[in-house]
Amino acid sequence: NAGVTQTPKFQVLKTGQSMTLQCAQDMNHEYMSWYRQDPGMGLRLIHYSVGAGITDQGEVPNGYNVSRSTTEDFPLRLLSAAPSQTSVYFCASSYSKNFDNNGYTFGSGTRLTVV
Amino acid sequence: SQELEQSPQSLIVQEGKNLTINCTSSKTLYGLYWYKQKYGEGLIFLMMLQKGGEEKSHEKITAKLDEKKQQSSLHITASQPSHAGIYLCGADGAWGSTLGRLYFGRGTQLTVWP
Repeated sequence: NAGVTQTPKFQVLKTGQSMTLQCAQDMNHEYMSWYRQDPGMGLRLIHYSVGAGITDQGEVPNGYNVSRSTTEDFPLRLLSAAPSQTSVYFCASSYSKNFDNNGYTFGSGTRLTVV
Repeated sequence: SQELEQSPQSLIVQEGKNLTINCTSSKTLYGLYWYKQKYGEGLIFLMMLQKGGEEKSHEKITAKLDEKKQQSSLHITASQPSHAGIYLCGADGAWGSTLGRLYFGRGTQLTVWP
């Protein structure tokens, strides 16, 4: 039971470098979302998607791009990394109908440091 | 967006004591989620509340959504060191379904000392 898989778990980047954080789910969830967590800030929504080919911005989208070409994958791209993007990143997925008690499944996170 | 304010920001209690964490919303809460997170780890789902007045319990943790649906509380009875961590509330904004994204409060850091 893989659930939501994030790779890599840790990454160090130099300022200006680009990279893609991967997120994959095997539960056939329509919805996927990305969050960043900084000390004392809780989790803040970066981008989310309600289906293949459909994405929307969250609270803190600047500096990040996303695309959703398949239901399973939702990669997050940093085009030119900045120290302010040092954070822990979480990906989540959910069903569109949530009458159960566990609508959102989170990945284990990617810890990114930009130097 | 939906703004959630959690209080207190941090809490230090002695083992065996009861405690309450609050989550207040700027808008009506339709789907309210409580998560726990240990330092450096992922989110552990605790409970989800949808209806005003709804109350759910799991082991020694009880969560309630008030009648006006703009505040939720999380109560821990007889706290243990295993309860230590960060507690996060998140709001979906939809009843009976999800909108695919959550807005979170800033979290409450709980420390339980023996």
